[in-house]
Amino acid sequence: DQQVKQNSPSLSVQEGRISILNCDYTNSMFDYFLWYKKYPAEGPTFLISISSIKDKNEDGRFTVFLNKSAKHLSLHIVPSQPGDSAVYFCAASYSGGSNYKLTFGKGTLLTVNP
Amino acid sequence: NAGVTQTPKFQVLKTGQSMTLQCAQDMNHNSMYWYRQDPGMGLRLIYYSASEGTTDKGEVPNGYNVSRLNKREFSLRLESAAPSQTSVYFCASSEYGQGVSPLHFGNGTRLTVT
Repeated sequence: DQQVKQNSPSLSVQEGRISILNCDYTNSMFDYFLWYKKYPAEGPTFLISISSIKDKNEDGRFTVFLNKSAKHLSLHIVPSQPGDSAVYFCAASYSGGSNYKLTFGKGTLLTVNP
Repeated sequence: NAGVTQTPKFQVLKTGQSMTLQCAQDMNHNSMYWYRQDPGMGLRLIYYSASEGTTDKGEVPNGYNVSRLNKREFSLRLESAAPSQTSVYFCASSEYGQGVSPLHFGNGTRLTVT
């Protein structure tokens, strides 16, 4: 039972355009969501997070949108740069359960073409 | 400030051999984790340690043991390696529970079991 789904294994975007990475979840108890970025041969690095009390969080070129009714979140990167090429993981947790169990999606490979 | 350091970076084992993956963090974090990443499977939690002196099973604990040696160090042991344990292993730490404070990952150990 995959509770966090990233249905697009890959995405290709031109430099300067917007990249939109999507994530769906099935567990309505999830109330905290994070995005991690991973380069080859490196560990994932934290990118941005959002609590369920918000519907948007912005950090520079990165914005995460949360639609609770649709159980959907998205990461927007504007403008996209070649250095953004990486695998992006969506993750979710809920404060009512164990704080130590974060559920990850399978990742989306973003390629930004110069 | 090295963050999370994992050793070794690469390892090849024969079926039935044992080994210990080492992990240390210098951020004074309370919680530490071991994940594995397999193609198409995302990141799956093997074991975690919420605080020094405690360890708990994650999603895929079978075939592994862990030791939280002190606040800094958290090791993962494979007692009798199997080909199904071929994977990339990531150690991570967080100040508090992973659901509410971001994880900091090491660069991984690529393990092949033949």
